[in-house]
Amino acid sequence: GAVVSQHPSRVICKSGTSVKIECRSLDFQATTMFWYRQFPKQSLMLMATSNEGSKATYEQGVEKDKFLINHASLTLSTLTVTSAHPEDSSFYICSAPGQGNNEQFFGPGTRLTVL
Amino acid sequence: AQSVTQLGSHVSVSEGALVLLRCNYSSSVPPYLFWYVQYPNQGLQLLLKYTTGATLVKGINGFEAEFKKSETSFHLTKPSAHMSDAAEYFCAVIPWGAGNMLTFGGGTRLMVKP
Repeated sequence: GAVVSQHPSRVICKSGTSVKIECRSLDFQATTMFWYRQFPKQSLMLMATSNEGSKATYEQGVEKDKFLINHASLTLSTLTVTSAHPEDSSFYICSAPGQGNNEQFFGPGTRLTVL
Repeated sequence: AQSVTQLGSHVSVSEGALVLLRCNYSSSVPPYLFWYVQYPNQGLQLLLKYTTGATLVKGINGFEAEFKKSETSFHLTKPSAHMSDAAEYFCAVIPWGAGNMLTFGGGTRLMVKP
């Protein structure tokens, strides 16, 4: 089946620094990828839709200047959390849709901790 | 807007007992329906999905779910719980015409007692 990877799996950074998270589709191409944030003991909240070759579409309430998304190729999307603060600490998960049958394939997630 | 409701944020069952996790959606047009499982610090794994056809859907690990249009429900069941089933379970939908964009329910944590 289709595999989506994320890197890094875990990152700890100081407040004010920027962190880049990569999402890759390993054996298929994805013109669209989705970025979710999940706080402890909560559901996944869609942050944005990453579109290859065009600007990302952000959900209401998500700051596009803080969460920079770049869909550099058909297999790679990156999420950069700029000037991270402790309240940005969360589990970030990406997904990519498969072919045709409305299934999405999820990455393993990235645990971000901002000190 | 489409919403997904999972009744019970926590469900506890004994090993060997029936598992029933509830999911209801709000839509006049049946969406595509999914159940995902999430183990700690991991991504989501698809258990099963309903798109069209037979309303009783069988998934992995012995789980199944039945789409009931009249009740706008898609409850997840498993006849006999295993300790390894302890995890977080998410019901999700893709509304008709929404491409591939998933809307998730709040999740249900399943605990299995020995």
